[in-house]
Amino acid sequence: DIVMTQSPDSLAVSLGERATIHCKSSQSVLHSSNNKNYLGWYQQKPGQTPKLLIYWASTRESGVPDRFSGSGSGTDFTLTISSLQAEDVAVYYCQQYYVTPRTFGQGTKVEIK
Amino acid sequence: QVQLQQWGAGLLKPSETLSLTCAVYGGSLSGYYWTWIRQSPGGGLEWIGEINHSEAPDYNPSFKSRVTISFDKSKNHFSLKLISVTAADSGIYYCARGENLKQLLFVYWGQGTLVTVSS
Repeated sequence: DIVMTQSPDSLAVSLGERATIHCKSSQSVLHSSNNKNYLGWYQQKPGQTPKLLIYWASTRESGVPDRFSGSGSGTDFTLTISSLQAEDVAVYYCQQYYVTPRTFGQGTKVEIK
Repeated sequence: QVQLQQWGAGLLKPSETLSLTCAVYGGSLSGYYWTWIRQSPGGGLEWIGEINHSEAPDYNPSFKSRVTISFDKSKNHFSLKLISVTAADSGIYYCARGENLKQLLFVYWGQGTLVTVSS
């Protein structure tokens, strides 16, 4: 299985400041045939189902605010919230869809400082 | 707009069978990957398995000997069965589906079913 490891487990950021979450995969999720990274990011707010934010490591899902951005390639990825808003308080998960079993990171809890 | 609505028993005893169904509204079963995901009480997400339009299921080896995912096309449903449950199988179970370029991701989710395994 590909193990997805996120860091940190939690972080507290002031409103308007940047939040950065890291995700590392135990093997590359970059597919040589199309040069795409099979990596997605989800946001889960309390009491809600996860919501897809980013796919192909850096493509924002329709309707997702542009303060959310994804970057990275191969085994190292980052989700950045450029200016944290109150509604961004949530747990964020990365997920690889390169192979089955599809696997998730353990989650990063983002709170307001 | 695609909606997934799921149901099934929420309280089980050890060794019983977990059985959940997910109904699809606003779309057909054909052409997509249909997935079951479990969220543990601690919050972690675990992919249980998927079934695609060719009806070939793919299971997480962690569950493989106990799990069955199947379609009922006449009812536009797909289902999960997990036999011989233990307390470790407690959690929220979700059905989910991708879309278009995001086939292997999870865009649409059921509302979740809280399953508790306890004697």
